[in-house]
Amino acid sequence: GNSVTQMEGPVTLSEEAFLTINCTYTATGYPSLFWYVQYPGEGLQLLLKATKADDKGSNKGFEATYRKETTSFHLEKGSVQVSDSAVYFCALQNSGGSNYKLTFGKGTLLTVNP
Amino acid sequence: DTAVSQTPKYLVTQMGNDKSIKCEQNLGHDTMYWYKQDSKKFLKIMFSYNNKELIINETVPNRFSPKSPDKAHLNLHINSLELGDSAVYFCASSQDLASRDTQYFGPGTRLTVL
Repeated sequence: GNSVTQMEGPVTLSEEAFLTINCTYTATGYPSLFWYVQYPGEGLQLLLKATKADDKGSNKGFEATYRKETTSFHLEKGSVQVSDSAVYFCALQNSGGSNYKLTFGKGTLLTVNP
Repeated sequence: DTAVSQTPKYLVTQMGNDKSIKCEQNLGHDTMYWYKQDSKKFLKIMFSYNNKELIINETVPNRFSPKSPDKAHLNLHINSLELGDSAVYFCASSQDLASRDTQYFGPGTRLTVL
């Protein structure tokens, strides 16, 4: 079956620090990969996505590259801000058969201090 | 305009009661979902409907019954509520069932069973 493993949190950084949140996946076929962000008290928002191998998704200074050879989709940002404090979810979505669903990682809580 | 809306935002009720959560999307999407987020922030799909037809029904107790009166609405009815049903429930929608389709989430309904 499909599964997503992302680094355990919480992650605490100072403003302007470099961020990496690791994500690896197991899936059949050719899934699409996503990063969603959940700000305190809110629903999930799509942060970025990549739909095929070697694609790079980017948004708001965040980037992630779909690496099929290492089955990874690590999230990076060069300089985090306090406003980036949130829970980040890596997810994959497959198609075909009964796979029409997002499979999420367990989430990583990021806290950025001024 | 809110793309995916849910009501109510908060729901506090006694064990054994029956309650409903409503979801509406104004994006013209064909597919809608219900997810459950537990106290550790873990997200898991419960149901998926495409064009009012049930596509995914994960191992959810029979006490949970989704109803889709039309493509824009997917309501969740819960009978005989139990303490373990306390969670945040998210509705989502996507254009279709393709793996690359982004899912758009509602703000969530926090259910507390006393």
